[in-house]
Amino acid sequence: AQSVTQLDSQVPVFEEAPVELRCNYSSSVSVYLFWYVQYPNQGLQLLLKYLSGSTLVKGINGFEAEFNKSQTSFHLRKPSVHISDTAEYFCAVRTPGGSYIPTFGRGTSLIVHP
Amino acid sequence: DAGVTQSPTHLIKTRGQQVTLRCSPKSGHDTVSWYQQALGQGPQFIFQYYEEEERQRGNFPDRFSGHQFPNYSSELNVNALLLGDSALYLCASETGPATQYFGPGTRLTVL
Repeated sequence: AQSVTQLDSQVPVFEEAPVELRCNYSSSVSVYLFWYVQYPNQGLQLLLKYLSGSTLVKGINGFEAEFNKSQTSFHLRKPSVHISDTAEYFCAVRTPGGSYIPTFGRGTSLIVHP
Repeated sequence: DAGVTQSPTHLIKTRGQQVTLRCSPKSGHDTVSWYQQALGQGPQFIFQYYEEEERQRGNFPDRFSGHQFPNYSSELNVNALLLGDSALYLCASETGPATQYFGPGTRLTVL
């Protein structure tokens, strides 16, 4: 069975500061990894994904994430955040060629202060 | 190109009632998944439809059922509503590999 742990439920940060949102997964097989963002009263928007290849993945809005197989992590980073980045962020894992059932973390609330 | 659309936006029902939620996938997408997102939680997978058949199902009771139409649109039906069914219901579509696109959701409140 696969699982996802988002280590921080809330991350406060000041505008223009760097941020890292942590995600660890558990799976006995290879995985696809995703980060989604959810703004209030909206659905989920894909930020970036890792399917294979380069372990450093760049996404939209200046976000990037690094897949670390040995540490089973997929942390999301941004070098300089804006007020508009305030939102809920979800990490998700899927097993390629498997049951197709994705597992989401509980989310991390990023709060950007002016 | 319209993305994934869902209707209605909001819905209020009472315990014991039945509800139907609707989803139109992104153009060209033939696979639709439904999720339940309780307040403060991540989305929980309900089921997935492909070629009008339920392909996978999460850990939800039989009160939750669905349907996919030949145009790939889909419905989620919930019978005998409980207070605990109050949540945001999300629809996602895809055409592989593995990348889902989500709709804005339907907020269901059960009183």
